[in-house]
Amino acid sequence: DAGVIQSPRHEVTEMGQEVTLRCKPISGHDYLFWYRQTMMRGLELLIYFNNNVPIDDSGMPEDRFSAKMPNASFSTLKIQPSEPRDSAVYFCASSLVRRTSDHNEQFFGPGTRLTVL
Amino acid sequence: AQTVTQSQPEMSVQEAETVTLSCTYDTSESDYYLFWYKQPPSRQMILVIRQEAYKQQNATENRFSVNFQKAAKSFSLKISDSQLGDAAMYFCAYRSPEWGGGADGLTFGKGTHLIIQP
Repeated sequence: DAGVIQSPRHEVTEMGQEVTLRCKPISGHDYLFWYRQTMMRGLELLIYFNNNVPIDDSGMPEDRFSAKMPNASFSTLKIQPSEPRDSAVYFCASSLVRRTSDHNEQFFGPGTRLTVL
Repeated sequence: AQTVTQSQPEMSVQEAETVTLSCTYDTSESDYYLFWYKQPPSRQMILVIRQEAYKQQNATENRFSVNFQKAAKSFSLKISDSQLGDAAMYFCAYRSPEWGGGADGLTFGKGTHLIIQP
């Protein structure tokens, strides 16, 4: 398997523009997570999905942020309008959760570095 | 809510020596999972080692081992025979058990920057 795929790897945009980040989880995984990494706040969970359904979006910072998972192989994180303070690295991760498993490891994508000017 | 604290922003060690990275956490749960992730300059998050709270035996993975002290809520990572490739940011992370209502996301510490001196 190719692992978790994220696109683009780098995104530079101007304040006020719409930004869409994309993620393809590992095939067969039933959980998908979006994290944000900044120097000030470290790594934070934004939202996660189970079987394409959003379970907890309490980490989404503002209404400008939205996430969707239209099918098991694709998710998007959208920021509209973007602001300079949204500049960060955004990670997508996926996992396969089974009650009998001890591990349920989260596999991370390479991240998208977003710069908002 | 759970919190994870890494009190060492930066650590330095000579190649081939042993180094220990500290992590403490706060939780009211009795069962949970703890992880150490490595993030090299490529920024890829790589799982180094995991520990289930109900297991008393400390986890080991080759040169990496943990010292899990449940009562003290401490979870340190020991790297033996340090290599240049070990240079990276190391993050300690906590996760609630699945039976708590779902596969919650990870709660991370702020990280420790590990420098390997040749």
